[in-house]
Amino acid sequence: GENVEQHPSTLSVQEGDSAVIKCTYSDSASNYFPWYKQELGKRPQLIIDIRSNVGEKKDQRIAVTLNKTAKHFSLHITETQPEDSAVYFCAASGLGGSARQLTFGSGTQLTVLP
Amino acid sequence: NAGVTQTPKFRVLKTGQSMTLLCAQDMNHEYMYWYRQDPGMGLRLIHYSVGEGTTAKGEVPDGYNVSRLKKQNFLLGLESAAPSQTSVYFCASSYSSLNEQFFGPGTRLTVL
Repeated sequence: GENVEQHPSTLSVQEGDSAVIKCTYSDSASNYFPWYKQELGKRPQLIIDIRSNVGEKKDQRIAVTLNKTAKHFSLHITETQPEDSAVYFCAASGLGGSARQLTFGSGTQLTVLP
Repeated sequence: NAGVTQTPKFRVLKTGQSMTLLCAQDMNHEYMYWYRQDPGMGLRLIHYSVGEGTTAKGEVPDGYNVSRLKKQNFLLGLESAAPSQTSVYFCASSYSSLNEQFFGPGTRLTVL
């Protein structure tokens, strides 16, 4: 099945700086790569996603890049703000059983220091 | 429009007891999922369903059973709870396997 590795596990940045979180995946057939944000005590929520036919996608201060050849994708957050502090999860849609399923990375705790 | 709801929010069980977690969605989604979240391990898929009356095993299915008798509901059962099942359980639903998954608020389960 799919295997997703996420780095770093913790990341601290100064407010206004950029943050980058990287993920690698193992299943070359994976074709959907979402990123979820989970605030403390809350449910995960989708912040951005990318499909395998696109190399980059941007939504205001967040962007995701995908390198299919190297099987890795990254989340970029610019001009970080204290409200960006949360755990971020990447995921990849591997094929397992009767349908594609998301396999999640282990998460990155992002702390934005004021 | 409530989205995805889960009951109960918290539960404490003794080893060997059984319980059922209920997930409901009002978005007419075909796909529903049960995940468990443990510190440092992300979200791991327990079971999922691609439509009413169907279920399939995910990454960590042992010790759990599920049922999808109605399209809007997905039940997760623990027949004989073990301390290793102490976790936060999230239900999610989506239009398809390649679309956004909407998560419920979670159930915090402690097995003593």
